Amino acid sequence: NAGVTQTPKFRVLKTGQSMTLLCAQDMNHEYMYWYRQDPGMGLRLIHYSVGEGTTAKGEVPDGYNVSRLKKQNFLLGLESAAPSQTSVYFCASSDLGVPSYEQYFGPGTRLTVT
Amino acid sequence: AQKITQTQPGMFVQEKEAVTLDCTYDTSDQSYGLFWYKQPSSGEMIFLIYQGSYDEQNATEGRYSLNFQKARKSANLVISASQLGDSAMYFCAIGGSQGNLIFGKGTKLSVKP
Repeated sequence: NAGVTQTPKFRVLKTGQSMTLLCAQDMNHEYMYWYRQDPGMGLRLIHYSVGEGTTAKGEVPDGYNVSRLKKQNFLLGLESAAPSQTSVYFCASSDLGVPSYEQYFGPGTRLTVT
Repeated sequence: AQKITQTQPGMFVQEKEAVTLDCTYDTSDQSYGLFWYKQPSSGEMIFLIYQGSYDEQNATEGRYSLNFQKARKSANLVISASQLGDSAMYFCAIGGSQGNLIFGKGTKLSVKP
């Protein structure tokens, strides 16, 4: 039981390049989330999904797209990376979402955009 | 909209002593959940403890307890008998309307030997 995994762990991009971050969970959770964490800040929600085939915007969605074609996977895409997207990205999943369900986090992806 | 405030950017505690990390929240929801997560220098987010708004008793998990004062909208984390491995960032969070968590800015705890 791997929990929540993220690929890759580290990545350096040049401004304007694109990339996709992959999140996978093996707990059969309905809800999945992408957060970003900037220095001195807590995590902020980028996009989320409440089930296969559904996605919705969070607090800071600009510059990102997501897809949830399979229940276990949640992809985060950057079409044209900008230095402001340098951050640590966390994926999380939960059974039915808060307020009462714990979110399980992946190990994070450290992205640097130069 | 929900909001979490953590007013202590950094805290020091002597090994084996207890420490309280402050957290206040704002929400208009009647039912909500409060969470504490630990983030060591390695970067992962580790769930510590959860308190539901209707729970009458304060939550406890081993050396962690949550001092929940609903009228004051505070959910402080108490760590008893601090250990060197407790040195980390600690985040308080509240359940958001989208099923997500809304985090505070965190408190950096340093345990001195």
